[in-house]
Formats: sequence, C-alpha cells, structure tokens
Amino acid sequence: DIQMTQSPSSLSASVGDRVTITCRASQRISTFVNWFQQKPGKAPKLVIYGASSLQSGVPSRFSGSGSGTDFTLTISSLQPEDFATYYCQQTYNIPWTFGQGTKVEIK
Amino acid sequence: EVQLVESGGGLVQPGGSLRLSCEASGFTFRSYWMSWVRQAPGKGLEWVAHIKQAGSEEYYVDSVKGRFTISRDNAKNSLSLQMDSLRAEDTAVYYCARVGVVHCYYIDVWGKGTTVTVSS
Repeated sequence: DIQMTQSPSSLSASVGDRVTITCRASQRISTFVNWFQQKPGKAPKLVIYGASSLQSGVPSRFSGSGSGTDFTLTISSLQPEDFATYYCQQTYNIPWTFGQGTKVEIK
Repeated sequence: EVQLVESGGGLVQPGGSLRLSCEASGFTFRSYWMSWVRQAPGKGLEWVAHIKQAGSEEYYVDSVKGRFTISRDNAKNSLSLQMDSLRAEDTAVYYCARVGVVHCYYIDVWGKGTTVTVSS
C-alpha cells in the first residue's frame, strides 16, 4: 500500500498567515493527489484535485503543487473559516490512502 | 442540487450485520464511480470500497475484504454497503461519496455520513 505522510500533524497560525502543509508518498504517484478540508462533525470537502487543480467554488487563496512523491497545500492568507483539519489522499493505486491529517488551529 | 443521503447506521453486536444505503440525486448516478469512506471516532479518513459505473468492478480495502460488499442500483440511484461479521474496529462514521475523474480520480461529493457502532 502507498503510505501518505503529512507534516506537520498540527500547526497554530494567525489570520492572514501563509500556511503550507506537506504530504509525502511512499512511492511515486505522478499527480494523483487530492486535498480535503474537514471541520468538526462535518463531511470532508474537496479543495484540490490532481495535485494542483482548484475545485470549483474553493477560494483562490488555496493552491496545490507537487509531483512524484512530494506535494504541498498552501493557503496564501489564512481566513477564520479555514481553521480545520486537512487531509491528502492518493488515488494512484488501490487501496486509496489518506494522510493522517493536519489540524490548523488559531494562534 | 447534487446530494447524497446515507441511512442504515446503528448499534450492532460484534459478528452481526448491517446494510447501509445511499440515495443519490441531482446528477446522472449511472455515470459515476461511487465509493464508501469511513472515519473512526477521533481518527482520520479511510477509503473502504468503490464500484464502477455498471457495477461490474468492485474494490475493497484489505481489512473489509470478504466481509463487506458494495453494490449499486442505477435504476434507483442508490448505493449500498452490506457489512457482515462486524468487528469493534468497524465502528465509524460511514460516508457515501461520488468519484470524479479529470487527470486523476477524486471524491468530489460527500454525504453527511451515517454512524455505525459495533459493541456488545
């Protein structure tokens, strides 16, 4: 199985900060990476697909990059509604696997 | 409005069975792969299974193979997950999800989830 390792597992940031979350795959997976945002008690929401494509309706402050084994999700200017847990996921091979999550908290 | 609504969750004893259902609306159900994803209490997300458009191909995470069966009824716009031989570690919120594909596969629509608790 492909392991997806996210870092950090949590971070504290202020409104307006630039935030970067990384995800490393245990083998090369091209750009078959998606990023999700999840708020407590809610279903996940797709933010980025195919490593860098912004899902419709998602603010442009979110961006994704990477290919092969290393991927990043960047929030250019953190807003109050962005405080949540973020997960990366690979869909290159079955079983599809998720990273362990990164919780973005208010500093 | 594109919508997925799960039902069928509940409390079941270890070794028991449960059938989850998902009703889809607002899109052409038969055109999409569909998936189940679960989340144990306080834990991360785990992909469980998915099924292709015609129902001809199914894929499962190893921990549920032989115990869970995913199926679909395209005439009724519905997805199901039959769960047998349930274990305590199957306790989770189960999400029904739609799979899109542009350059790669991705889950673009999620239901609100249904809770399964396996306990004596």
